[in-house]
Amino acid sequence: EDQVTQSPEALRLQEGESSSLNCSYTVSGLRGLFWYRQDPGKGPEFLFTLYSAGEEKEKERLKATLTKKESFLHITAPKPEDSATYLCAVQAHAGNNRKLIWGLGTSLAVNP
Amino acid sequence: DAEITQSPRHKITETGRQVTLACHQTWNHNNMFWYRQDLGHGLRLIHYSYGVQDTNKGEVSDGYSVSRSNTEDLPLTLESAASSQTSVYFCASSEGGLGNTIYFGEGSWLTVV
Repeated sequence: EDQVTQSPEALRLQEGESSSLNCSYTVSGLRGLFWYRQDPGKGPEFLFTLYSAGEEKEKERLKATLTKKESFLHITAPKPEDSATYLCAVQAHAGNNRKLIWGLGTSLAVNP
Repeated sequence: DAEITQSPRHKITETGRQVTLACHQTWNHNNMFWYRQDLGHGLRLIHYSYGVQDTNKGEVSDGYSVSRSNTEDLPLTLESAASSQTSVYFCASSEGGLGNTIYFGEGSWLTVV
């Protein structure tokens, strides 16, 4: 069964304290892995798409990496405004299926 | 800028009433989706459409219906609202094909009393 697991469920950091969020997946064939940020009361906001193992993408303090089994979202020197829930989703090759398989998210709190 | 607009943003309704949540996108995307998000379950797909006149059931479609008469709109109807349908609903869209980014609306908070 296709599955996406995110860890930890919640993470509290001090401002400037770098860390990583994990997204592990089991799918029949990866078409794309997506990272989203979601602020309270808002819809998910797209961050990155990764397509193949070894790929990396960066945006400000965020860097996403991908292996054959998992993805990491590295947060370097986080600021309080980075506080949000980070969601991971994967899209599999299966047939004509355009649906995403979602993880439950990691809730990140960055204290000043 | 292109966007997805959902309405209403907040609604309280009574059990048994029919409710329609509107979704309008100006991306000109072929694919549109409706999700619900609940604690402990994450985002779950209700219905999706790959184009005009095309609709498909997602993993939690019971009690919901959609119709796609044009590219821009995918309204979600709760035929007879139940308390279990209290949730936040997100509309989303993407270009056709696998691997394309899905963009989300701001959400509609529905409470069924």
